[in-house]
Amino acid sequence: DSGVTQTPKHLITATGQRVTLRCSPRSGDLSVYWYQQSLDQGLQFLIQYYNGEERAKGNILERFSAQQFPDLHSELNLSSLELGDSALYFCASSVQAGSDTEAFFGQGTRLTVV
Amino acid sequence: GENVEQHPSTLSVQEGDSAVIKCTYSDSASNYFPWYKQELGKRPQLIIDIRSNVGEKKDQRIAVTLNKTAKHFSLHITETQPEDSAVYFCAASIAGGSEKLVFGKGTKLTVNP
Repeated sequence: DSGVTQTPKHLITATGQRVTLRCSPRSGDLSVYWYQQSLDQGLQFLIQYYNGEERAKGNILERFSAQQFPDLHSELNLSSLELGDSALYFCASSVQAGSDTEAFFGQGTRLTVV
Repeated sequence: GENVEQHPSTLSVQEGDSAVIKCTYSDSASNYFPWYKQELGKRPQLIIDIRSNVGEKKDQRIAVTLNKTAKHFSLHITETQPEDSAVYFCAASIAGGSEKLVFGKGTKLTVNP
């Protein structure tokens, strides 16, 4: 167990809908990363938050948004869902925003858009 | 931005043989290079990492080498075992700026008994 908790584990929804994925980082970790892993694809960086503020942005679609709350948990909101958004979404956390620290991954949320 | 290329995409070896996975990166400012192992249906987990002030690092059967001039780094697994079968991801990141980890597309390693 990495200490990073993601909910829900599985999510099935229809095209055009909106979903929210939740991540609770390890105790003491201030930085949260979101990644998307599609079938046969690598880990695509979406966005990073550090202590409540957006720190880095990757290939995140405009239909997607995220935030980190004062208690440091983070939510990834996906709207106007398309079939191609079906993927495994990972959250990771690390102690600080600096890149040379280990990132611990949650178990992921598998999103299926039908 | 940073781009990480990883090769090969699949690798099959016999138990006991060595396996080598190579990655190249584009941004010379990158200074941290972790390797993650992802078993089927599980989350990625860090297995070894190297920083730019070090050329090689070893941990039991796993070693990573870094060539900053050529901008490439490699993972070496010796005496492979069936439990080494997984997808391995390399990554690179830059401290003091974007601080995001950019991953390669992964290598599916199969160790045949």
